[in-house]
Amino acid sequence: QVQLQESGPGLVKYSQTLSLTCTVSGGSISSGDYFWSWIRQPPGKGLEWIGHIYYSGSTYYNPSLKSRLTISVDTSKNQFSLELSSVTAADTAVYYCASQVPVGVTDYWGQGSLVTVSS
Amino acid sequence: AIQLTQSPSSLSASVGDRVTITCRASQGISRALAWYQQKPGKAPKLLIRDASRVESGVPSRFSGSGSGTDFTLAISSLQPEDFATYYCHQFNSNPLTFGGGTKVEIK
Repeated sequence: QVQLQESGPGLVKYSQTLSLTCTVSGGSISSGDYFWSWIRQPPGKGLEWIGHIYYSGSTYYNPSLKSRLTISVDTSKNQFSLELSSVTAADTAVYYCASQVPVGVTDYWGQGSLVTVSS
Repeated sequence: AIQLTQSPSSLSASVGDRVTITCRASQGISRALAWYQQKPGKAPKLLIRDASRVESGVPSRFSGSGSGTDFTLAISSLQPEDFATYYCHQFNSNPLTFGGGTKVEIK
């Protein structure tokens, strides 16, 4: 069973870049079995899909974030990462990494990482 | 992007009640819909995939139905551990989207 764990700073200053890494265990990112996704949830609100990456480096970004977003993969470390630039208070959220079956459901989730944007 | 509209946004129910939550998609998504349960401070837990396939280990009181644009999650006899927020999620096309959530509270 795939397990995912987010890591990164819990506090980011306004207008700076939010960076998070997801470490995958229990399976290889390079297996091709999954897309590797980022999803976020502002405090007290619903879920927003951010985007995903395949082990080959192919990505799809949510158009609402595309101009500020980079998702990358490091197969040697079995990790994938999120960078979101020019953050504002609206980017304060719990960020989850997750695995999505190609053309299928998102099944495994990390525990989530709260990132607060401070002024 | 495909919009998912869940209703109701919240409901109060008693242990033993039958509960139904609906999810309507802004365009047809075949059966590419999942349901998640989320408890405070926890990641969403997958309950149902492909509109009606209940995940292994999920109690049989949970069921899903629907296709196209209209979907339903049903809990046949609400248990104390079922009080949570439920989300529908479409994976028919990118960008993937979620419904706004339904909070199930104790009456």
